[in-house]
This record gives sequence, structure tokens and C-alpha cells, in this order.
Amino acid sequence: GQQLNQSPQSMFIQEGEDVSMNCTSSSIFNTWLWYKQDPGEGPVLLIALYKAGELTSNGRLTAQFGITRKDSFLNISASIPSDVGIYFCAGRPTHKLIFGTGTRLQVFP
Amino acid sequence: NAGVTQTPKFQVLKTGQSMTLQCAQDMNHEYMSWYRQDPGMGLRLIHYSVGAGITDQGEVPNGYNVSRSTTEDFPLRLLSAAPSQTSVYFCASSYSIRFGVQETQYFGPGTRLLVL
Repeated sequence: GQQLNQSPQSMFIQEGEDVSMNCTSSSIFNTWLWYKQDPGEGPVLLIALYKAGELTSNGRLTAQFGITRKDSFLNISASIPSDVGIYFCAGRPTHKLIFGTGTRLQVFP
Repeated sequence: NAGVTQTPKFQVLKTGQSMTLQCAQDMNHEYMSWYRQDPGMGLRLIHYSVGAGITDQGEVPNGYNVSRSTTEDFPLRLLSAAPSQTSVYFCASSYSIRFGVQETQYFGPGTRLLVL
């Protein structure tokens, strides 16, 4: 089945650093979503994007819907220890969601 | 509201056994879905339902059956368990298929399944 290419696979950063991750697809999407998953729990929605070029923030998180509609980016500024987790992008070509493979983020104090 | 609940939390099966993973939501959501999560694979859609009595296949439906007799419940049946079905299974629901902030998809806590 189709999956999104998400990079990087993992990141090890120091508290206070900024983080960037991205997701690319061979298909055009109508919606891009970013989720965070904590250990032992289900994913939780962080940001939803609906229009090409859209830039949306949620606190220290900022995500963008790529102009080509085939990619999306998530930035986390001034990381803190509770940012630790796995971040997933997801795209909606029709009425199904397709998830990326995830970026595992570790934040060291 | 309890949100999305899943039972059991953990399950060990022998190859060939069958079982049903339960999923229920109390938010009157129309859209419900089942995903499996494997290391390095992200979440993959197994089956989904856009309303009571309506189900459809996702990316990886083989070996699984679903039904949606009520709005609240969406059980996932493993017909004859295989080691390849060892995974973490998540049920999710949302008000609509738009999946956005206003209609966010809520995930259950997951069922961890080991097939020996």
C-alpha cells in the first residue's frame, strides 16, 4: 500500500534546539495532518492543513502544506523534554488517511 | 465521555486461533477505522466504516473482517491468526472524514497482539 516518505527517521537533539521534519508523497493530497504519539498511547492530532501553501502554528509547532501539494513540513522551536515521542505525518487523498513512517524525537536536557 | 476504548490491551494467540478486538466510542462519530502499527512502518489502514452498516477495505485487509452494526461499536476479527499479524492495533473514530481540527480523529490506546 501507499506510504509517505518521512524524514528523518530519528533525531537526537538538545533541549532548546529547533527541529525540522518533512514528509513527501508521489500523490497529491487534499489534507496534510501531523500527529504525535507518546509511548504506549495512540497518536494525537497536532496540526491540520487544508490548502497548498498554508502555514499553521500550534504553540511552538509550525507546519506548512507544500505548494506542490505533495509535501509538508513540521518545525518545533525551542524543544523541551516533553517533545519526546514519534511524530507522524498523514495525508488524505480521498476518504482514507495514509500515514508516514514516523520521526522518532529524543530530547536531551 | 470515555472516548475511544479498546479491549483487550494485550493478547497472545497461537497460530490458527481466531479472536475479536473490540472497539467502542461514545462520541456519536460516524467514521471509524482500524490501523495496525509495525516498527518502521507507521500506521496502515486495515478497514474503515463511514457509518452503521457500511464498511470498506483499507490498505491491508487480508486476514481481517469487520462489521458495523451500531454507530458505537466497530469490532475487528482475526479469522485465523498468523505470526505476521503480530502488531499493535489502533481503533480510531472521527465525526467526519475531513479529519481536521474540528473533526479530529481520536485514537484508542491500542491492543498489543502477539501471535506465536
